Amino acid sequence: KNQVEQSPQSLIILEGKNCTLQCNYTVSPFSNLRWYKQDTGRGPVSLTIMTFSENTKSNGRYTATLDADTKQSSLHITASQLSDSASYICVVSYKNTGFQKLVFGTGTRLLVSP
Amino acid sequence: DTGVSQDPRHKITKRGQNVTFRCDPISEHNRLYWYRQTLGQGPEFLTYFQNEAQLEKSRLLSDRFSAERPKGSFSTLEIQRTEQGDSAMYLCASSLEGQRGSGNEQFFGPGTRLTVL
Repeated sequence: KNQVEQSPQSLIILEGKNCTLQCNYTVSPFSNLRWYKQDTGRGPVSLTIMTFSENTKSNGRYTATLDADTKQSSLHITASQLSDSASYICVVSYKNTGFQKLVFGTGTRLLVSP
Repeated sequence: DTGVSQDPRHKITKRGQNVTFRCDPISEHNRLYWYRQTLGQGPEFLTYFQNEAQLEKSRLLSDRFSAERPKGSFSTLEIQRTEQGDSAMYLCASSLEGQRGSGNEQFFGPGTRLTVL
């Protein structure tokens, strides 16, 4: 069964600190992996996308890694800001009968505290 | 704002009533998707359109749910005889398929939060 699991479920860190979120997946055939940020009551917004051959991708203070062999990804947030408080969702896509189907993780809820 | 828009943002209804949501995708996008997201969960796929054709429906989409995209632009999602279990955030996304470099990325709207009393 295609699944995406994320850990931790929730996380509280102090402003300015770093943190790392984890994602494990069992999705096949793998197409790409994205990390989305979802603010409360809003739709998800893409942060990074990685294909099979990419190991790391950065977007400002966000750095995502991908190990396609172990089917694991991480999202590292550097020098956290209060505005980073949100849910971070790992999404793995696979090609299925004509379109890329997305498998969503349940997300990690991050709270950055002043 | 040229992103995906959804209307209404919030809807409260009584059990048994019908509701209809609207999604306006990014204008040049040919694919449109509907998802449902319950509290603490990731979005779950409901259905998608390629232009005006509805190409796939999830088993989550019971016969009380119907979606249309009559002119290949905006889409509507109707829920008939709503039940309390229908309470969720309904997300719409759009993408541009078939064009090199588009990445097939799905861009999400802000969602419509439905509460069934």
